[in-house]
Amino acid sequence: DTGVSQDPRHKITKRGQNVTFRCDPISEHNRLYWYRQTLGQGPEFLTYFQNEAQLEKSRLLSDRFSAERPKGSFSTLEIQRTEQGDSAMYLCASSPFRDEKLFFGSGTQLSVL
Amino acid sequence: AQRVTQPEKLLSVFKGAPVELKCNYSYSGSPELFWYVQYSRQRLQLLLRHISRESIKGFTADLNKGETSFHLKKPFAQEEDSAMYYCALSGLTPLNKLVFGAGTILRVKS
Repeated sequence: DTGVSQDPRHKITKRGQNVTFRCDPISEHNRLYWYRQTLGQGPEFLTYFQNEAQLEKSRLLSDRFSAERPKGSFSTLEIQRTEQGDSAMYLCASSPFRDEKLFFGSGTQLSVL
Repeated sequence: AQRVTQPEKLLSVFKGAPVELKCNYSYSGSPELFWYVQYSRQRLQLLLRHISRESIKGFTADLNKGETSFHLKKPFAQEEDSAMYYCALSGLTPLNKLVFGAGTILRVKS
């Protein structure tokens, strides 16, 4: 499968724990996006990278959230001191440099107990 | 502020009937509008974007700037069209920084 890959598919954690998600975009895609989706809502933009540079972060991305994309390849999204409100589906997507069609991964479902 | 409204959570139609999924938006500039679809157990994927003016799987959508709408239409629904449909808006910087609506479930009954 040469699509966008996300790991893990599901994560259950206790409040206050740290979690990290990984996204492997389609190779040669320069742009990588993170979105968050809660039940009954559409995805919400969190942040995006062009190669290794993080160019924009949403105000939804509190100080407890950090994202990286070392060497412009895979990306990680870390949430520190998780809260119950962080429970959501975290979606990664990638697109070519010209920002044409966006390709989504299957997502990581986070449940904070 | 950018906002996308999909007034219907669920739209249920019979096979062969026309379909119209409503989408209204709020944006001060000239947005790019999209429809994304998620079939059961599949990933979210692009269905169409207004600038392409394409018909994908028989679906079309026309941007009406006066009414700030981008409704998705298909003249004859098929059972395989059953899915969750999201309308999305972009202010173009970057293009794929999208504001999504809450989505509409389309259920096509036989």
